[in-house]
Amino acid sequence: AQKVTQAQTEISVVEKEDVTLDCVYETRDTTYYLFWYKQPPSGELVFLIRRNSFDEQNEISGRYSWNFQKSTSSFNFTITASQVVDSAVYFCALKPGYSTLTFGKGTMLLVSP
Amino acid sequence: SQTIHQWPATLVQPVGSPLSLECTVEGTSNPNLYWYRQAAGRGLQLLFYSVGIGQISSEVPQNLSASRPQDRQFILSSKKLLLSDSGFYLCAWSAHAGVGPNNEQFFGPGTRLTVL
Repeated sequence: AQKVTQAQTEISVVEKEDVTLDCVYETRDTTYYLFWYKQPPSGELVFLIRRNSFDEQNEISGRYSWNFQKSTSSFNFTITASQVVDSAVYFCALKPGYSTLTFGKGTMLLVSP
Repeated sequence: SQTIHQWPATLVQPVGSPLSLECTVEGTSNPNLYWYRQAAGRGLQLLFYSVGIGQISSEVPQNLSASRPQDRQFILSSKKLLLSDSGFYLCAWSAHAGVGPNNEQFFGPGTRLTVL
């Protein structure tokens, strides 16, 4: 069975602060994919990134960066210089092999001006 | 480019009434389709997925059902709604079901259902 844990239920920061959202996963499969999604107040989930289990290279996209560490089964997401528009619920998800997506419970990020 | 539509956007229904939510995808062929429910508390629960016309897999037992009458159409139904069916229903599509380069799912705008 697979599991995704997002231990941070809610994080509040002030604009321009850096913030890291944690994600820990469990799976017995050796081939799997990890994802991050953003859910703004409008409700629609927006795909942010996919990472496969064979690629531990960290990725940076503008103010967003992702740190994948197989040794600790973690796939953390950092927002640098946060902005009010970053306020949303962020979901980490796991897809092992031919299984369906398993989502974490999400982390609500509140960025205040 | 691909787009995914859901309707209605919001719905208020009495307990015991029927339900039909529709999802359609444009710009792709033979997508995998998914229905999720997000209750208060934010967790996403996979309800059904489909890898082709008429092929439905149910992830959890409930009074809901799904159908896929056309390649890019996915319908979520109920004969009698329960209070516990209230929530935010999201439809999603992906290009492939198995391991491969296109595993990400793309979500529709959702339907907010309130059962009174």
